[in-house]
Amino acid sequence: DAGVTQSPTHLIKTRGQQVTLRCSPKSGHDTVSWYQQALGQGPQFIFQYYEEEERQRGNFPDRFSGHQFPNYSSELNVNALLLGDSALYLCASSQSRVSEAFFGQGTRLTVV
Amino acid sequence: QKEVEQNSGPLSVPEGAIASLNCTYSDRGSQSFFWYRQYSGKSPELIMSIYSNGDKEDGRFTAQLNKASQYVSLLIRDSQPSDSATYLCAVKGRNTPLVFGKGTRLSVIA
Repeated sequence: DAGVTQSPTHLIKTRGQQVTLRCSPKSGHDTVSWYQQALGQGPQFIFQYYEEEERQRGNFPDRFSGHQFPNYSSELNVNALLLGDSALYLCASSQSRVSEAFFGQGTRLTVV
Repeated sequence: QKEVEQNSGPLSVPEGAIASLNCTYSDRGSQSFFWYRQYSGKSPELIMSIYSNGDKEDGRFTAQLNKASQYVSLLIRDSQPSDSATYLCAVKGRNTPLVFGKGTRLSVIA
């Protein structure tokens, strides 16, 4: 049973560029949440997708957007990258009625 | 602002000892409580979940919850060097996302 998978694992982008990160949830999971984790900090909630709609959103600007596809996979898009967007981006999947969330391996984004 | 507080550490314990990790949270409506382990450069791994007051044991791990005091703890018995990692406390309300603390770094000394 494949767990949560994310791609790519590492990415280097230039300030001002746009990036798309991808996530496939664990089998049987229908809810995908995205988190940003800066060095030495806990993960910060960006948003959550369920039934192809954004269900909840954290305190992140509109430059951060997402999408969920009919097969429950999800994308995180970040426009106009800033140096401060450099972080580990984590995708977590869960079942809609269950609180336990499982993380993918993350995407390390470096903005230069 | 929902907050989860943890001592950042490092918490150093000798091999074979009990490691005690603590967490407090601000939202009284919180219903689900989790401990994640995160090795350096890796993603968080769920190791314990607890939903009601009291203790929950799983192998060498025991999670303790006291909702009246808004306090969650994790005990690791017979600590091993492989337990050295950052431990993240996470809290969730009925219709709110997971909120994480900054984590406590544990170092088990052989």
